Amino acid sequence: AQSVSQHNHHVILSEAASLELGCNYSYGGTVNLFWYVQYPGQHLQLLLKYFSGDPLVKGIKGFEAEFIKSKFSFNLRKPSVQWSDTAEYFCAAENYGGSQGNLIFGKGTKLSVKP
Amino acid sequence: DGGITQSPKYLFRKEGQNVTLSCEQNLNHDAMYWYRQDPGQGLRLIYYSQIVNDFQKGDIAEGYSVSREKKESFPLTVTSAQKNPTAFYLCATGGLGYNEQFFGPGTRLTVL
Repeated sequence: AQSVSQHNHHVILSEAASLELGCNYSYGGTVNLFWYVQYPGQHLQLLLKYFSGDPLVKGIKGFEAEFIKSKFSFNLRKPSVQWSDTAEYFCAAENYGGSQGNLIFGKGTKLSVKP
Repeated sequence: DGGITQSPKYLFRKEGQNVTLSCEQNLNHDAMYWYRQDPGQGLRLIYYSQIVNDFQKGDIAEGYSVSREKKESFPLTVTSAQKNPTAFYLCATGGLGYNEQFFGPGTRLTVL
């Protein structure tokens, strides 16, 4: 079955530290990839997405992600985190050509940033 | 938020009772989705609908039912057959040409 794996359940960083959250997917064909973020008490919102083209995609609030096809990975990065980045982050994948918009989500990574 | 309304924010029900969660959107999106979010489990798809009067089961449809009589509305009923209904329920929408989904604020259901 198609799946999305996020390796870290809970990451704790100090402000200004660099962040990398891992995401791997199991689809064999063309895939669209997403990172969503859920800040405390807020609804899920899109951070960035990859459909095609440049494998390095930039999102909101200084986040970026790199699609590495050979590794089936789409890791999220930020060079310097802030306390306001404390949130839960979800990686998701859509099988291109499958039912439109049907996403498979990873289990999420909770990020806690210490001030 | 963002044109998707879920009500109520918190809902309490006694075991054995059916309960219906509301999801309304004014984004004119064709597709609507229901997810269940549990700690450490991510989001799991319950049901989805891509057009009015049509819907499909997701990965964990057992114990749930939906209807899609209007484009704007996609209510979810949690029936007494759902063995573990206490969870956070999220509604999402997607439009033609959009591959991303847009999420509502969620309803936290607690069954006592």
